Order: sequence, then structure tokens, then C-alpha cells
Amino acid sequence: DQQVKQNSPSLSVQEGRISILNCDYTNSMFDYFLWYKKYPAEGPTFLISISSIKDKNEDGRFTVFLNKSAKHLSLHIVPSQPGDSAVYFCAASAKEYGNKLVFGAGTILRVKS
Amino acid sequence: NAGVTQTPKFQVLKTGQSMTLQCAQDMNHNSMYWYRQDPGMGLRLIYYSASEGTTDKGEVPNGYNVSRLNKREFSLRLESAAPSQTSVYFCASSESGRDGYGYTFGSGTRLTVV
Repeated sequence: DQQVKQNSPSLSVQEGRISILNCDYTNSMFDYFLWYKKYPAEGPTFLISISSIKDKNEDGRFTVFLNKSAKHLSLHIVPSQPGDSAVYFCAASAKEYGNKLVFGAGTILRVKS
Repeated sequence: NAGVTQTPKFQVLKTGQSMTLQCAQDMNHNSMYWYRQDPGMGLRLIYYSASEGTTDKGEVPNGYNVSRLNKREFSLRLESAAPSQTSVYFCASSESGRDGYGYTFGSGTRLTVV
């Protein structure tokens, strides 16, 4: 049973508009959440993270929101650019599990110009 | 360039053959990981090594073995390849502890077992 779920396999957005990628988790022990971005034929690269003691973290065009009561986090990209087209993985970790990352299935984002 | 290097990038095996996937990092990281990526499944942890000299099973260890040869190198071995092991394999490294954002991934090995 997947502990980290990304229920949207793909998302298509117009350039300049907002992209919202969603992620749900089931394990309440998770206390650190991350987003990774992956281009074809490359490994995932870290994008942004958030600790469970916060509800928002912002880095340039990227903002991650955490709703602990709903066990839900989202990644907002504003404005979206064609170079943002990639697969986005949500990941979570818990100190109790040695901080190993558990990944979601990924969402393919396509930004149309 | 500093990072994680995986070899080979592509491999085709026949069922029952064996092979070793190599991984090396030059960032002096303590922890290393092997993940596999399958469509609709995301990245699943096969084995990890929290520090030199230690290895532990992850979520999907069956059919694999690992060796942490030294601090830099962490290899993944398939003793008798099966079609179910067709996947893209990623090696990663990180500082131990809280540095989730410290995961650095290699560019992957695409393995096909026929």
C-alpha cells in the first residue's frame, strides 16, 4: 500500500499560468516532505522541501504548502515555464525510519507555450 | 563534476544471467541508496547503506544483493535476472541525518531482462 500518493498522473498547463501538483500521505510519522524534479534520461534533482512544523515554504517561483490535518501537500509553480515540463515526485521521510525517502508515483507536468 | 556516477547506462540481459550495477560518489557522503523506478510506482527503495560497512533492506530487496565496497562505492547485484527486474535503477547518496534535500541521484541504468 503506497504511503505517498500522487493521484494525478499528468497535468497540462499554459505557459505563464499556475501549476498545482498535489500529494497525499497516509503515515502520520512523516515529518519532512520534499519535491524532486526529473527530466528524461536524468536522475531526480531536489526542488524544495518543508518540515512538518511549517505550513508553507517558498523558493522563487516554487511554493510548497503542507496541510498536516489533511495529510496533504501541494507544489505551486508560478508562473509556469516550458522548462518546467518534467516529472515531479513527492517524497516523505520520518526520523523513526532513519530519514529514508518514500516516493510517490510522480506527476508528468507539461507546460505549453 | 562532483556527483554520483552509475555504470552502465543501458543493459540487456537474458533471464537467468547475472550482472552488477556500479555506483560511485565523490561528495564524501555517508549514506547511499539503490532505487528502482517503474511506471505508476514511483521510486522504490531496494537497499541502502547508512554508512560504510553497513547495508539494510529497503522496500523491494528480493532478487538483489548489495556491497558497500568503501565510502565511495555501492554496487547492486542481480544474481539471476528475471523479466520482473526490467526497470530503471537509480543510485543516490546523502549525508546521514536530516538532509533529505541532500539526496544526489545518478543518471540511472536502464535494464531490460528478456
